[in-house]
Amino acid sequence: EIVLTQSPGTLSLSPGERATLSCRASQSVSSTYLAWYQQKPGQAPRLLIYGASSRATGIPDRFSGSGSGTDFTLTISRLEPEDFVVYYCQQYGSSPPGYTFGQGTKLEI
Amino acid sequence: QLQLQESGPGLVKPSETLSLTCTVSGGSISSSTYYWGWIRQPPGKGLEWIGSIFHSGSTYYNPSLKSRVTISVDTSRNQFSLRLSSVTAADTAVYYCAVAELWGQGALVTVSS
Repeated sequence: EIVLTQSPGTLSLSPGERATLSCRASQSVSSTYLAWYQQKPGQAPRLLIYGASSRATGIPDRFSGSGSGTDFTLTISRLEPEDFVVYYCQQYGSSPPGYTFGQGTKLEI
Repeated sequence: QLQLQESGPGLVKPSETLSLTCTVSGGSISSSTYYWGWIRQPPGKGLEWIGSIFHSGSTYYNPSLKSRVTISVDTSRNQFSLRLSSVTAADTAVYYCAVAELWGQGALVTVSS
């Protein structure tokens, strides 16, 4: 079973700063199946990044993803006030099939 | 484009069975090479994968829920469904259906008498 560990649990920054969020897997995962989501209160998770580094449709270019193997990173280059919410990494596979989630990183002002 | 929509009762009594359906539009369940899945999120908590099904009917469940979960697929209706038996208050959550990175909007299910 793959375990995803996100760090830090909470990240305190200010608007305009750069945020770096980490997602570490307990074993190597395919970059193809590594995604990042943003979740605002009361809303469904919104896909930001898929395939570890591809931005989803409509996502601003201040969001970027990188990494491979067991270490993945979500970077927000210049924080906007609406970015201070929760972020999850997700891995899904076909062998065995299933989804694994990190515990989330809360970005706070 | 492909869209998923959850439907089902928003209130279930303790010890009863929770039933939800995910309707897929904009594409065929049978054409996907991915497993179709159910995920849930209790209020104020993180995301938990429940189980997944392939269009052939092959299933894979979260071991922690396996004894209570049944996921089925109806390719003629382009739907797949979740049944969770013997529910308790701990099963109160928003339930999402998903395929790869595409999710439905979620359905809140409250377990209460």
